[in-house]
Amino acid sequence: EADIYQTPRYLVIGTGKKITLECSQTMGHDKMYWYQQDPGMELHLIHYSYGVNSTEKGDLSSESTVSRIRTEHFPLTLESARPSHTSQYLCASSQQGTDTQYFGPGTRLTVL
Amino acid sequence: AQRVTQPEKLLSVFKGAPVELKCNYSYSGSPELFWYVQYSRQRLQLLLRHISRESIKGFTADLNKGETSFHLKKPFAQEEDSAMYYCATETGANNLFFGTGTRLTVIP
Repeated sequence: EADIYQTPRYLVIGTGKKITLECSQTMGHDKMYWYQQDPGMELHLIHYSYGVNSTEKGDLSSESTVSRIRTEHFPLTLESARPSHTSQYLCASSQQGTDTQYFGPGTRLTVL
Repeated sequence: AQRVTQPEKLLSVFKGAPVELKCNYSYSGSPELFWYVQYSRQRLQLLLRHISRESIKGFTADLNKGETSFHLKKPFAQEEDSAMYYCATETGANNLFFGTGTRLTVIP
């Protein structure tokens, strides 16, 4: 079934740990996105990708990094997690040239 | 830069009453505007876009260039409309800027 997946759904981790949030889609979409959302705040675009080997920074500066080695996979990595990284992270995808974005279920990250 | 603002974080209406969720945009040209919705325990999903001029689940949204608004309206609210609603605008290259969202509660 065509879908967009995010794992883990919830993650509680200590300061200084390296973490990778996974995002995969089986929708055949070229473009993928990562958003960060603090409670009661806007969704902020932090990274996006047009396709394999393409990564771009979004509107909000983020210490995280992303990679796009495969079309369907767009992981986000934090080398050293800090409490300020506590947030919800949403992954989305869209077909190139279209504006409808399809969202994953999100990962709620808590850094202690 | 294209931006949207949603002045209300919370909105409560009674079932059967009209509902209007406000969205204002800042863009001098012809913006691409959207409403996304997130129901409880579900994912964020597209509700409607202004260029389609469509009605989805009884909701409509009209672009008012004079007021730079794109308010979401429904004449008779239903309990299943309770959700988080986000207004969004395209910022170029099919990227979106989302507002802070309005949580709509429909009281039975």
